[in-house]
Amino acid sequence: NAGVTQTPKFQVLKTGQSMTLQCAQDMNHNSMYWYRQDPGMGLRLIYYSASEGTTDKGEVPNGYNVSRLNKREFSLRLESAAPSQTSVYFCASSDRQGQGLRRYGYTFGSGTRLTVV
Amino acid sequence: AQKITQTQPGMFVQEKEAVTLDCTYDTSDPSYGLFWYKQPSSGEMIFLIYQGSYDQQNATEGRYSLNFQKARKSANLVISASQLGDSAMYFCAMSRNTGGFKTIFGAGTRLFVKA
Repeated sequence: NAGVTQTPKFQVLKTGQSMTLQCAQDMNHNSMYWYRQDPGMGLRLIYYSASEGTTDKGEVPNGYNVSRLNKREFSLRLESAAPSQTSVYFCASSDRQGQGLRRYGYTFGSGTRLTVV
Repeated sequence: AQKITQTQPGMFVQEKEAVTLDCTYDTSDPSYGLFWYKQPSSGEMIFLIYQGSYDQQNATEGRYSLNFQKARKSANLVISASQLGDSAMYFCAMSRNTGGFKTIFGAGTRLFVKA
């Protein structure tokens, strides 16, 4: 099915370990995003990429890095995981203009549940 | 700074009745977009409806409508004829401009539909 694919779906890390969350979309969207979801706090934007070749910080970028590898792929890296980064991570993509955003909003991946112990 | 507020942590509604989920926002930008998303217990995020700040009419999408009151900075979601499958978490969100960048989310409202 067309959409946003995230890997892995589940991950347990020890404090200080590093890992990369992968995200790929096949809808030819220009913009991609990484969010984290914590109980009672909704989704918070970590980083976004408005178009291929650009990335910008969101609300909670500390402790994360991103790479927009090409138009399809947008990865999120935790260099030294901390228990505070235990969360569910969502990748999303969208059309930047026109009727795409109005009709479809963001398309989200199924999420990665990350636990840092 | 932008802010989204959803003041109802939980709501109950009887099946087949209408329900309104509240959302207020704060922004100094003249151009912005407002969204509602549904998150069932399975965890996926499902786009429901979008309203642009310059839209003259309230957005509607099937049983969903967005009651947009610009002067009051509110964007309430109305679900008509509630169904058991509507039980879920609902998030209001706002993008900084109608291009959809830097969208922020409210804390969500959990809706319970009773049979």
